Amino acid sequence: GIQVEQSPPDLILQEGANSTLRCNFSDSVNNLQWFHQNPWGQLINLFYIPSGTKQNGRLSATTVATERYSLLYISSSQTTDSGVYFCAVEASGGSYIPTFGRGTSLIVHP
Amino acid sequence: DGGITQSPKYLFRKEGQNVTLSCEQNLNHDAMYWYRQDPGQGLRLIYYSQIVNDFQKGDIAEGYSVSREKKESFPLTVTSAQKNPTAFYLCASSTQGAGEQYFGPGTRLTVT
Repeated sequence: GIQVEQSPPDLILQEGANSTLRCNFSDSVNNLQWFHQNPWGQLINLFYIPSGTKQNGRLSATTVATERYSLLYISSSQTTDSGVYFCAVEASGGSYIPTFGRGTSLIVHP
Repeated sequence: DGGITQSPKYLFRKEGQNVTLSCEQNLNHDAMYWYRQDPGQGLRLIYYSQIVNDFQKGDIAEGYSVSREKKESFPLTVTSAQKNPTAFYLCASSTQGAGEQYFGPGTRLTVT
């Protein structure tokens, strides 16, 4: 099956810093999602982005499907950005089952 | 408001007992999923259902069972055959096909 690798596995920032999280995948995909898991465990949808670039406030994401990667940018980080960021992809071919990466754990210090 | 609800939020059981976790959605989604998450780990797929009265095993289905009698509901039973049932369980739904997936708040199950 498709492999999904996220980097870095852990990230520690000071409030106000910028960061880039990466998601590499091993095969062509029908869709790609970014989630933020907050400290209470809830997974929050950030972006549904099979290709192209999207922005939502301080967050933006870019997926380059032909090169099999996606990037999540966090600008001017806040303590509320802390948590785990997951990338999930759905491989082309009709399985319709998302495959999750292992996540990037982000801690933002005040 | 549209969304996915899971109940209860916390559940405690004695070893050897079966337990059923509830998942309900009012998003009119065809597909529903159950995932297990262990501390510091990613999500692993237990079961999924693309349509009412049909479901398939995921990567770690042993010791679990599901039913999909209604579009809105996809309950998960953790049986006594599951060797390490203590975990965080997440339910999700999506439109059929390559649709955006949405998650419920999760149930933390502790078995002692």
